Amino acid sequence: EAQVTQNPRYLITVTGKKLTVTCSQNMNHEYMSWYRQDPGLGLRQIYYSMNVEVTDKGDVPEGYKVSRKEKRNFPLILESPSPNQTSLYFCASSPRDRVWEQYFGPGTRLTVT
Amino acid sequence: AQTVTQSQPEMSVQEAETVTLSCTYDTSESDYYLFWYKQPPSRQMILVIRQEAYKQQNATENRFSVNFQKAAKSFSLKISDSQLGDAAMYFCAYRSTSGSRLTFGEGTQLTVNP
Repeated sequence: EAQVTQNPRYLITVTGKKLTVTCSQNMNHEYMSWYRQDPGLGLRQIYYSMNVEVTDKGDVPEGYKVSRKEKRNFPLILESPSPNQTSLYFCASSPRDRVWEQYFGPGTRLTVT
Repeated sequence: AQTVTQSQPEMSVQEAETVTLSCTYDTSESDYYLFWYKQPPSRQMILVIRQEAYKQQNATENRFSVNFQKAAKSFSLKISDSQLGDAAMYFCAYRSTSGSRLTFGEGTQLTVNP
């Protein structure tokens, strides 16, 4: 089954404790992206990657890091989480030549206290 | 930078009736994609419909259709014969054909009343 998986689905952590949210897709997609969703703001892009070892900032990259060492994986790293990073996070992937085929992961609810 | 605006935070409709969700966008580009996504309570993002800007014909997918007004930079979604399962948050989104960013609007929460 074609899918994007994220782990964990729910996470409660404390300020400053480094965490990683994993994202993996099994569709051999070139393009992967991370979004955060906040009430009244919709989804905002954090980082995206066009292919292995190619990453770029989205609209709200501050406080986040990503890496793309393998085509299927695109982890989101919060080196020192803060309460303003409490949000719902989505990973998405798509083939480069069919950009409308955005496959979204199930979301990760992160709470930073 | 492109922006997408959904001016209706909440909408409601009676079952079997028709509802239109509004979306406007701002861009200086001539070629791009526009999308409507549905997010039910499960939080999964589901593509409802897409429109390529170079196509003048409005896209249609079963009960869902769009009214694409390129000059006015407007992209509304019409849901006909509304069903209880249509209740969800709906997001309008923009993507340039040359870029990689997907820009979303704020979302419209649709309630379907039985």
